Amino acid sequence: EDQVTQSPEALRLQEGESSSLNCSYTVSGLRGLFWYRQDPGKGPEFLFTLYSAGEEKEKERLKATLTKKESFLHITAPKPEDSATYLCAVRIAGGTSYGKLTFGQGTILTVHP
Amino acid sequence: DAGVIQSPRHEVTEMGQEVTLRCKPISGHDYLFWYRQTMMRGLELLIYFNNNVPIDDSGMPEDRFSAKMPNASFSTLKIQPSEPRDSAVYFCASSPTGYLSNQPQHFGDGTRLSIL
Repeated sequence: EDQVTQSPEALRLQEGESSSLNCSYTVSGLRGLFWYRQDPGKGPEFLFTLYSAGEEKEKERLKATLTKKESFLHITAPKPEDSATYLCAVRIAGGTSYGKLTFGQGTILTVHP
Repeated sequence: DAGVIQSPRHEVTEMGQEVTLRCKPISGHDYLFWYRQTMMRGLELLIYFNNNVPIDDSGMPEDRFSAKMPNASFSTLKIQPSEPRDSAVYFCASSPTGYLSNQPQHFGDGTRLSIL
């Protein structure tokens, strides 16, 4: 069964303290891995798509990387406004689930000033 | 550009009542998705449509749940009869042609449903 596991469940950082969030997956035929940010009371907001192992993407203080088994979301010198829940999701190839995204449980990030 | 619009934002109703959630996707998007989010199970796909046609409804929990997309700009998710365990936040998302080439899904802000 396809699985997506995110760790840690919650992460508390001081402003400026860099760290990484992990998303590990066991799927057959990965077609894409997505990172989203979700603020309280809001829907998930798209951040990145990664397609293949070795790929990296950056946006402001965030950098996403992908290997064959996991993805990391690196946060450099975070600010309090980076506090949110970060979700990763995978899309697999083939079958009627071709368009389906499977989400992880998310990592709740809190950045203290 | 207007994003995905969902209504109502909050719904509180009694067990056994019919509940209808509404979604207006982003104009020009031909994929539409309904999700449910709970603390226990996270974000789960219920059903998705392509060009108004349901493609995969394997996530719909029971026959009490139904979804329709009568045209490209409107979709409903209906629960009848509702039960307390249906309480959750329901999200609608849409994606443009090219979704299968990894165009992202764009989410609305959800409907928070409470069944008493």
